[in-house]
Amino acid sequence: DAKTTQPTSMDCAEGRAANLPCNHSTISGNEYVYWYRQIHSQGPQYIIHGLKNNETNEMASLIITEDRKSSTLILPHATLRDTAVYYCIVRGGTGTASKLTFGTGTRLQVTL
Amino acid sequence: GAVVSQHPSWVICKSGTSVKIECRSLDFQATTMFWYRQFPKQSLMLMATSNEGSKATYEQGVEKDKFLINHASLTLSTLTVTSAHPEDSSFYICSAPVAGGTSFEQFFGPGTRLTVL
Repeated sequence: DAKTTQPTSMDCAEGRAANLPCNHSTISGNEYVYWYRQIHSQGPQYIIHGLKNNETNEMASLIITEDRKSSTLILPHATLRDTAVYYCIVRGGTGTASKLTFGTGTRLQVTL
Repeated sequence: GAVVSQHPSWVICKSGTSVKIECRSLDFQATTMFWYRQFPKQSLMLMATSNEGSKATYEQGVEKDKFLINHASLTLSTLTVTSAHPEDSSFYICSAPVAGGTSFEQFFGPGTRLTVL
């Protein structure tokens, strides 16, 4: 699976959009970009994933560049409860045995 | 979304004893489950892939005789830490994939915090 690079930490004011970048320059054509987050002392939570098109759900938006070498997770209106470590993961394969490899992630701190 | 539970949520045991952690998929079946370990201030590290009805697949460096995995049904996988020592104290998390269109989402349990005295 392709390796990802994320900033170690970011701050965001409550109510503002949080834009979390991820570089995955070695991504291959059949690999998806997944985003998970982990609130302190909890299991990771799925946020969103995409292949090449931009995606949006009730939690966030995912913007993938045309060359697919980077992506941005957007939390449109961050709240204090969004404070967590956010993991960008690139994963190939669509079988159930396709495992997730977690990097160090970005620690997002949402402040008042 | 799909729900994965873990039991217990935390456990304290004496050095040398064995501890069993359960991972259940509550509203779906999972032929595959994954077990992760997370030390303080570190990321999740995959330990093994649990396969229903067959042997688990362990990641490099993980002792299969120390971390016994059993996936006896489509909704239950267990991780037994045998002869636990203080260095095994960690946060253990399981996950199970759910099919969604052309890819799979993985749903994680809430984790089990193991403290070995």
